[in-house]
Amino acid sequence: DAKTTQPNSMESNEEEPVHLPCNHSTISGTDYIHWYRQLPSQGPEYVIHGLTSNVNNRMASLAIAEDRKSSTLILHRATLRDAAVYYCIPMSGGSNYKLTFGKGTLLTVNP
Amino acid sequence: DSGVTQTPKHLITATGQRVTLRCSPRSGDLSVYWYQQSLDQGLQFLIQYYNGEERAKGNILERFSAQQFPDLHSELNLSSLELGDSALYFCASSPVGDGRYEQYFGPGTRLTVT
Repeated sequence: DAKTTQPNSMESNEEEPVHLPCNHSTISGTDYIHWYRQLPSQGPEYVIHGLTSNVNNRMASLAIAEDRKSSTLILHRATLRDAAVYYCIPMSGGSNYKLTFGKGTLLTVNP
Repeated sequence: DSGVTQTPKHLITATGQRVTLRCSPRSGDLSVYWYQQSLDQGLQFLIQYYNGEERAKGNILERFSAQQFPDLHSELNLSSLELGDSALYFCASSPVGDGRYEQYFGPGTRLTVT
């Protein structure tokens, strides 16, 4: 499994952009980069994923470095509802189908 | 609402007992995953099924077993329960079961072993 490194915690203010970094230097060429988040007392929630190109959806944007050894999840305008633990997880597109959750980044959003 | 349902929401049982947790995947999803989340271990992958067949195994104890039925719902059976099995158990589903697709998680079953 590719090893990931994320900050333990980050803080943001409401309605400001948030950039959550993740290093995954041992990622393989077929690994997709998935981001999930978990709000208190809830199940994990899918946020976004990508392989090589930057990706956008209604929740967030994912910027993937050209060498794919790091990525950044971008929340364009943080809300209080975005306070959660964010997990960056490489997942193989061909085999090894599990999501291996690390400790993630605890995002605090201040009103 | 992810479209994945899990029952029961809460389960309290005694050591040595056996329980069954149930998961219904999103409509059209063929793959089901089971995860365990405890305070000291974080979220851990247990097992994955794809269209009725076991595809991948993680840190699943021999006392635990799972299956996926023809209607694609899945059950996780936990037997000879110990205090340390107290945890949240999540089920997730995805269309195919590899990294090309996202996983959608259910709300979880909270198991308390006394």
